[in-house]
Amino acid sequence: AQTVTQSQPEMSVQEAETVTLSCTYDTSENNYYLFWYKQPPSRQMILVIRQEAYKQQNATENRFSVNFQKAAKSFSLKISDSQLGDTAMYFCAAGGASHSNYQLIWGAGTKLIIKP
Amino acid sequence: GAVVSQHPSRVICKSGTSVKIECRSLDFQATTMFWYRQFPKQSLMLMATSNEGSKATYEQGVEKDKFLINHASLTLSTLTVTSAHPEDSSFYICSSIEANTGELFFGEGSRLTVL
Repeated sequence: AQTVTQSQPEMSVQEAETVTLSCTYDTSENNYYLFWYKQPPSRQMILVIRQEAYKQQNATENRFSVNFQKAAKSFSLKISDSQLGDTAMYFCAAGGASHSNYQLIWGAGTKLIIKP
Repeated sequence: GAVVSQHPSRVICKSGTSVKIECRSLDFQATTMFWYRQFPKQSLMLMATSNEGSKATYEQGVEKDKFLINHASLTLSTLTVTSAHPEDSSFYICSSIEANTGELFFGEGSRLTVL
């Protein structure tokens, strides 16, 4: 069975610090995508970053980057220069590569609090 | 980016009534939509996968007669909670795949409260 595990229920850092959220997964798929989604208090899910498993290069999006370790099935999210607006629930998810198999398996989430 | 609109954002109803939640893809055609349920402080639980023009595929444990899903057009999927009870109170979220990019976009979510 496919699983996604986020071992940190909650994290708290000071504004401008760097924080890393961990995620491990297990899948039998040969090709798959990994995602980090942000869910702020407004509740709408927002895609933070996406990694295609066949790409060795770690994905980056401005202050957000991932450390993708395929052999270890690890997909951590690093947020640099954290901002107050980064406060949210962060969910790691894994999914199939084809559009017909795009169901995502979700981690339990990590609540990130950025303190002023 | 593509937009998925969900309506209503909040609904309060009496026990025994039915409630319909709409999910629209505003600027792209959505052949596949997903419906999730999220309990407080928990992750998303996939309820069903909705395909345009065909019956929805429900996840194990989800009552298809309770949660009716209709995906009659490429831009609209609806979730109807029939004969709602207090235990159906939850946050319901839809999402849709934008075919060109393969990216998944989420609606704003609908908070259902059954009294």
